[in-house]
Amino acid sequence: DSGVTQTPKHLITATGQRVTLRCSPRSGDLSVYWYQQSLDQGLQFLIQYYNGEERAKGNILERFSAQQFPDLHSELNLSSLELGDSALYFCASSGRGESTDTQYFGPGTRLTVL
Amino acid sequence: ILNVEQSPQSLHVQEGDSTNFTCSFPSSNFYALHWYRWETAKSPEALFVMTLNGDEKKKGRISATLNTKEGYSYLYIKGSQPEDSATYLCALNTGGFKTIFGAGTRLFVKA
Repeated sequence: DSGVTQTPKHLITATGQRVTLRCSPRSGDLSVYWYQQSLDQGLQFLIQYYNGEERAKGNILERFSAQQFPDLHSELNLSSLELGDSALYFCASSGRGESTDTQYFGPGTRLTVL
Repeated sequence: ILNVEQSPQSLHVQEGDSTNFTCSFPSSNFYALHWYRWETAKSPEALFVMTLNGDEKKKGRISATLNTKEGYSYLYIKGSQPEDSATYLCALNTGGFKTIFGAGTRLFVKA
């Protein structure tokens, strides 16, 4: 158990809908990362937050947005969902958000878009 | 576009065999390299963070080396056990806080 929690575990929704994925980092960690893992692709970095501020952006679509709240939990919002958005979404956390930090991964949220 | 390559894609070994796999990356964009172990139906678990050319790290039977000048890292497993079966991922940090993952090497250890 990494100490990172993600809810929900599974989510099934329809195309065009909007969903919110939630992540709570390990106690004491200030940085949160979001990753997407599709069937035919490896882990893709989406976005990183540090202490409430966006720090780095990866391959995140414009239909997706995220934020980190004052209590350091983070939410990833996915809107106008398409079939291709079906994937496993991981959240990870680290202490300082530095490139050399060890990242601790949550169990993931499996999103299925029908 | 920066690319992190891992080889081989998959590997089947017998229990007790030692094995190694490679992670290649553009040497000009190096800041840190991470190795992760990812078991099926679980989440990736950090093994090593490597930053300096010539770095060697060890955790039990697993060790890793780093060559930043030529852009590669090796992961070694000594005396593989069935519980070592997993996907081993490497991830490159380029200093801009972005992380680029390789596709992984899938290791199967047969008892």
